Amino acid sequence: QSALTQPPSVSGSPGQSVTISCTGTSSDVGSYGRVSWYQQPPGTAPKLMIYEVSTRPSGVPDRFSGSKSGNTASLTISGLQAEDEADYYCSSYSSSSTLVFGGGTKVTVL
Amino acid sequence: QVQLVQSGAEVKKSGASVKISCKASGYTFISNYMHWVRQAPGQGLEWMGIINPSGGSTVYAQKFQGRITMSRDTSTTTVYMELSTLRSEDTAVYYCARGGSAYWYFDIWGRGTLVTVSS
Repeated sequence: QSALTQPPSVSGSPGQSVTISCTGTSSDVGSYGRVSWYQQPPGTAPKLMIYEVSTRPSGVPDRFSGSKSGNTASLTISGLQAEDEADYYCSSYSSSSTLVFGGGTKVTVL
Repeated sequence: QVQLVQSGAEVKKSGASVKISCKASGYTFISNYMHWVRQAPGQGLEWMGIINPSGGSTVYAQKFQGRITMSRDTSTTTVYMELSTLRSEDTAVYYCARGGSAYWYFDIWGRGTLVTVSS
């Protein structure tokens, strides 16, 4: 299965909003509401930020939100903070009970 | 608290096999699926496969079919991932990650195990 497509990088100033897109196909993102997002600061393991397109686990700030339209899912970080600087990955359920990740997006806080 | 503790770093020669362990604690072991995900140096995340600790059934990514084996030991609440016929491109950090209440996302991650493959 092919990786989902994410922009390599996005940036914003503190307090601004940034949105990361995650584009798949009708075999993964487009067919299932099973998209999740992960934050990975350098040298650490990923952390779950959003699951099932738009659900935030307990403890994740409500500045993080998710959505989906057609074959593209999005993660929006509102009120950007310095601690949000990290790599972000999307993941989707795909056909045959497999999973696929996006290539990752580096978020830089200017 | 829920924890996944992985085995230590490994250095292997090309053509060899590696077996990594992931010990789960703090929850009912058979209640959640377990995934393996790897990350090559400076690269993104790559899903490798999933195991159901309850019955032991597995699904592997097509890329690893024939080279990967996932297993579990319910008595020690440990899952294992063995990758054979190693090549330099297999140099990566390997993570175990617990499936959430629905198995298609990863809610708890291990700290990762670095596997270095040298020729």
